[in-house]
Amino acid sequence: EIVLTQSPGTLSLSPGERATLSCRASQSVSSSYLAWYQQKPGQAPRLLIYGASSRATGIPDRFSGSGSGTDFTLTISRLEPEDFAVYYCQQYGSSPRVYTFGQGTKLEIK
Amino acid sequence: QVTLKESGPALVKPTQTLTLTCTFSGFSLSTSGMRVSWIRQPPGKALEWLARIDWDDDKFYSTSLKTRLTISKDTSKNQVVLTMTNMDPVDTATYYCARIAATGTIFDYWGQGTLVTVSS
Repeated sequence: EIVLTQSPGTLSLSPGERATLSCRASQSVSSSYLAWYQQKPGQAPRLLIYGASSRATGIPDRFSGSGSGTDFTLTISRLEPEDFAVYYCQQYGSSPRVYTFGQGTKLEIK
Repeated sequence: QVTLKESGPALVKPTQTLTLTCTFSGFSLSTSGMRVSWIRQPPGKALEWLARIDWDDDKFYSTSLKTRLTISKDTSKNQVVLTMTNMDPVDTATYYCARIAATGTIFDYWGQGTLVTVSS
């Protein structure tokens, strides 16, 4: 099964800065099957990006996703105070049919 | 409006069987293409997918936990039930149910989660 490794583990930035989060897969992943979620303390995860680069409904355009193969990136162009949270990448495997999450990147205020 | 809500015991003893119920609204699991999953998250740790059930009663399980998990649905009640046998303290986690989007690949709506603690 595919393993997703996210880096860095923690990213310390200031509001207004650009954030770049990485998700690396242990083998090639179809772009169609790569997603990103945001989770704030005490809350359920929220879908941000699907198909590697498509924003989910209601997600601001400062969030963007890119990548292919084994390397994927979530970029937040200008950080807002509400963006400080933990971010997870997730992939779907069609054989076997399983879902895998990365270990998360914590985005904290510097 | 799609909503999901988890319910079940907050505390279970080691070796016991955990039964969790996900009650949802805004969609029907009898509709072609609908799917629901369970996902868990130990305190301070990452998300872990557990199981999925489809509109046609197909079921899929985490490779590492499949011997302990059973997922089922009651379409008339709009509920999905997860049982996990032989509970251990390492199974202490918040358990979420989530709807899977029509693509089958992502979780588009989540419940609020329910914390289950395993302790004697």
